Amino acid sequence: DAGVIQSPRHEVTEMGQEVTLRCKPISGHNSLFWYRQTMMRGLELLIYFNNNVPIDDSGMPEDRFSAKMPNASFSTLKIQPSEPRDSAVYFCASQLGSNQPQHFGDGTRLSIL
Amino acid sequence: DQQVKQNSPSLSVQEGRISILNCDYTNSMFDYFLWYKKYPAEGPTFLISISSIKDKNEDGRFTVFLNKSAKHLSLHIVPSQPGDSAVYFCAARTLGGSQGNLIFGKGTKLSVKP
Repeated sequence: DAGVIQSPRHEVTEMGQEVTLRCKPISGHNSLFWYRQTMMRGLELLIYFNNNVPIDDSGMPEDRFSAKMPNASFSTLKIQPSEPRDSAVYFCASQLGSNQPQHFGDGTRLSIL
Repeated sequence: DQQVKQNSPSLSVQEGRISILNCDYTNSMFDYFLWYKKYPAEGPTFLISISSIKDKNEDGRFTVFLNKSAKHLSLHIVPSQPGDSAVYFCAARTLGGSQGNLIFGKGTKLSVKP
């Protein structure tokens, strides 16, 4: 079975550029989560969707970050404009039901120069 | 203010011995706890979970213990194997609240030496 698929695996770009991270959840899962991992703060939830609807975006750091889920099989996380402090590993996870564990993708390692 | 704390950033254990990873939490509203394992350059992988109505859950070599009065949980791996070497994250969730919000500890890096 295919797991959660994230692309790209690595992204290096200059500050000020727009960055788009992509996620394909596991088929049939109705919840999708975006996390950011840094050395200082560990794994933090940015936003999550239930049935394609954003439920909690309180973890989104600022207006430069936005996330969409146009359908059940695709989500994007955009940063515009990007800044060096956005450098981190970004994980996407999906979940079948609220009492089920979340399944993570392998992450996108983002470096903003 | 960290709600889920893993106070040991690293742990080294000999192959065949027991590994004990610890996790403390502060929020008494947490009622579902999970352990994830993470290898380098991969995402966290779910390992085992426990509901607050239980004090122990076992799955093969992995056992999670929950002490609600002490707000403490632990993961026991026995016997430890070199392939268990990874970073282990404890996570907690409030089932009655925002159901998607897993709060993670910062992880403990386990090294199992042959």
